[in-house]
Amino acid sequence: AQKVTQAQTEISVVEKEDVTLDCVYETRDTTYYLFWYKQPPSGELVFLIRRNSFDEQNEISGRYSWNFQKSTSSFNFTITASQVVDSAVYFCALRPHRGSTLGRLYFGRGTQLTVWP
Amino acid sequence: GAVVSQHPSRVICKSGTSVKIECRSLDFQATTMFWYRQFPKQSLMLMATSNEGSKATYEQGVEKDKFLINHASLTLSTLTVTSAHPEDSSFYICSARSPTSGRAGGTDTQYFGPGTRLTVL
Repeated sequence: AQKVTQAQTEISVVEKEDVTLDCVYETRDTTYYLFWYKQPPSGELVFLIRRNSFDEQNEISGRYSWNFQKSTSSFNFTITASQVVDSAVYFCALRPHRGSTLGRLYFGRGTQLTVWP
Repeated sequence: GAVVSQHPSRVICKSGTSVKIECRSLDFQATTMFWYRQFPKQSLMLMATSNEGSKATYEQGVEKDKFLINHASLTLSTLTVTSAHPEDSSFYICSARSPTSGRAGGTDTQYFGPGTRLTVL
């Protein structure tokens, strides 16, 4: 079974604070891909990152960083020095390499991040 | 990066009417497109997978006769909500799978459309 859990439903921070969004996944596949998407109030999903299961190297992109740990099946996302424009719903997603529907994404429930000025 | 468009972005219709939503990949050929549905403050739920030139594959619990999907070309998939009812009101999002390597996001990345907000009165 494929499952993505985002335990944090809502997070509120004040601008310039660092914030970490948690993502835990379950899969029996040895090869899989993990994603983070941002969904601002407009509704459009914005692709943030894609990571394959063989690449555990952490990644940093500006104020964004991702910590992938296969040992704990987690793929956490940290925003450093948060800004009001970071306010959005963030989704973590899993795509197994093989499956009945090749390419489909399994989404977590999402975390609503609100950054106050 | 690749662009996927959806039309219309917003539609309001009367109960009992049918609504067609278009999903287009603008700068790549998408052999597979996915249709998701999202209720307020909830996650995206896959409704069906649309493959060019073949019948769509529906997820369990999704009525294929109510949600008609046509993937007529490598750049266009349509979702028709037939005899819409208020409970069909939702945010519908499509995504297109790009098999081309080297694009932003890596090989075989999904690109999402901006979504269509359907309100059935």
